[in-house]
Amino acid sequence: ELKVEQNPLFLSMQEGKNYTIYCNYSTTSDRLYWYRQDPGKSLESLFVLLSNGAVKQEGRLMASLDTKARLSTLHITAAVHDLSATYFCAVRGGGADGLTFGKGTHLIIQP
Amino acid sequence: DSGVTQTPKHLITATGQRVTLRCSPRSGDLSVYWYQQSLDQGLQFLIQYYNGEERAKGNILERFSAQQFPDLHSELNLSSLELGDSALYFCASSGDSYIQYFGAGTRLSVL
Repeated sequence: ELKVEQNPLFLSMQEGKNYTIYCNYSTTSDRLYWYRQDPGKSLESLFVLLSNGAVKQEGRLMASLDTKARLSTLHITAAVHDLSATYFCAVRGGGADGLTFGKGTHLIIQP
Repeated sequence: DSGVTQTPKHLITATGQRVTLRCSPRSGDLSVYWYQQSLDQGLQFLIQYYNGEERAKGNILERFSAQQFPDLHSELNLSSLELGDSALYFCASSGDSYIQYFGAGTRLSVL
């Protein structure tokens, strides 16, 4: 059974600081996703990572994938308050297209 | 706006009842997915349809069923509802880009 673990599950940080969210998954997968969810809202796609060594960046967020270690990271650079949200990683597995999600990282960025 | 439309936004019903949730995918997307989000279970994949055919099943209960119609819209039917079925139900759709775009969700409250 595919399992996806994120850590930390809760992160409070100050504006201007850097931090990394980690996502480990238990079995081989060819796609890893990062989503953002604001309270009471839908999920917004941030990145899709398809190959070992893939790195994608959008603004202050950068995601990377190491398929050998079954690890993805989401790095936040010089955090700003607007990045406060819950971030989910998700993995496609088992031959099906349905995604298995981590529990999410609840990120609070304080001024 | 993701382009995925879900109705209704909110649904309040009683235990033992049956409800239908509706989803219209983004224009041109052939795949539709249903997910359930609850505080205790997190985000769980329920089922996927591709161009009218069931493609993959996740943690979908036998009391739940879905279908995708020729115009590609999908419906999720939930029957014999229990208190524990209260959750946010998301529909997502995808095309060739691998990205799953999520709708705004239907919040189901079973009283």
